[in-house]
Amino acid sequence: GIQVEQSPPDLILQEGANSTLRCNFSDSVNNLQWFHQNPWGQLINLFYIPSGTKQNGRLSATTVATERYSLLYISSSQTTDSGVYFCVIVPTSGTYKYIFGTGTRLKVLA
Amino acid sequence: DSGVTQTPKHLITATGQRVTLRCSPRSGDLSVYWYQQSLDQGLQFLIHYYNGEERAKGNILERFSAQQFPDLHSELNLSSLELGDSALYFCASSVGTGVAKNIQYFGAGTRLSVL
Repeated sequence: GIQVEQSPPDLILQEGANSTLRCNFSDSVNNLQWFHQNPWGQLINLFYIPSGTKQNGRLSATTVATERYSLLYISSSQTTDSGVYFCVIVPTSGTYKYIFGTGTRLKVLA
Repeated sequence: DSGVTQTPKHLITATGQRVTLRCSPRSGDLSVYWYQQSLDQGLQFLIHYYNGEERAKGNILERFSAQQFPDLHSELNLSSLELGDSALYFCASSVGTGVAKNIQYFGAGTRLSVL
């Protein structure tokens, strides 16, 4: 089946540090999104980015569709960035289904 | 606040029972999606409805069913509940049905505990 793997699985940062989260997928995609699940469980959409680069404040994302990976950059991390980050894809092949990645659990220490 | 409303927030029930989870999408959104988040399976797509019609089905068990009503709210029915059905159930909504530029907004979830 289609694989969506994220790395690293866990990450601990000191407040103010930068980080890069990676999402590898095994099929070409029509849709790719990044979500943040905060410690209270709420899922928040960060980026819709099936290709190219986008920036929103301290966060930016890049997807290289031809090489089947996406990166999420967090700069000057804050404790409120803690939680789990998921990438979600819809592959071009097969039926129209959203597939979540394995997630990266981030903890930012004050 | 995403604008997607899920009720109830918490549900505790016993094995063998049936429950209904409710989702009201954001104003103007025609698509509703259901997901299950469990510790061992992660986040899994269950089903997608667009304007009352089923559009895609994921890893949804036969004991589970869903529908979207004319007012666009949706219900997820879980029957013959088992301990393993304990999970966080999310609903999401989006404007369209096409995959491209289809950004989903998630509700706060319903936490189901089956005892």
